[in-house]
Amino acid sequence: SAVISQKPSRDICQRGTSLTIQCQVDSQVTMMFWYRQQPGQSLTLIATANQGSEATYESGFVIDKFPISRPNLTFSTLTVSNMSPEDSSIYLCSVRTGTDTQYFGPGTRLTVL
Amino acid sequence: GESVGLHLPTLSVQEGDNSIINCAYSNSASDYFIWYKQESGKGPQFIIDIRSNMDKRQGQRVTVLLNKTVKHLSLQIAATQPGDSAVYFCAENTNAGKSTFGDGTTLTVKP
Repeated sequence: SAVISQKPSRDICQRGTSLTIQCQVDSQVTMMFWYRQQPGQSLTLIATANQGSEATYESGFVIDKFPISRPNLTFSTLTVSNMSPEDSSIYLCSVRTGTDTQYFGPGTRLTVL
Repeated sequence: GESVGLHLPTLSVQEGDNSIINCAYSNSASDYFIWYKQESGKGPQFIIDIRSNMDKRQGQRVTVLLNKTVKHLSLQIAATQPGDSAVYFCAENTNAGKSTFGDGTTLTVKP
């Protein structure tokens, strides 16, 4: 299994600002993902964070809006840039270990005013 | 496009009864399916998985059934307890290793 922590756990931000969310895993993992979960809805994959190279974004998500870093096999950051109220969501970090099992962090609850 | 969906958005059961949560998927190429439980304020937690070469898999109090003919997945929870109250998601994995999530079913267990 993998233990995942995220910082911050929640934040309230002003429109037009940016927030960087950190994800730390207790072991080296090959695959890390970032998801968004809007209130009362399911999870939507934003991107796959690739170690040492640019993240792979899903349709509807772009690097300028959601820049991602992954400097090593245990850490990644997601930045939500130039925020608007529509960005209010829970942002979840997820990892896949050697098996197909996927683990999730506790999430970062973001409110944009 | 591919999609994974759930038949019912909410399910209410009496404590001690069995629960059945259903899921329909549309991508016949998916070969791995997972059920997650998400409690309020927490991230999804892995419950049980099944590969496409199986039609049934059992865990502790949970069973997952896969019917590839009709592209249907179900999660059975035996002797449902108040601690089982949560939102349950099914997810399917493609060859790229990405999980596509269904809409979620809210399970409420009445004491």
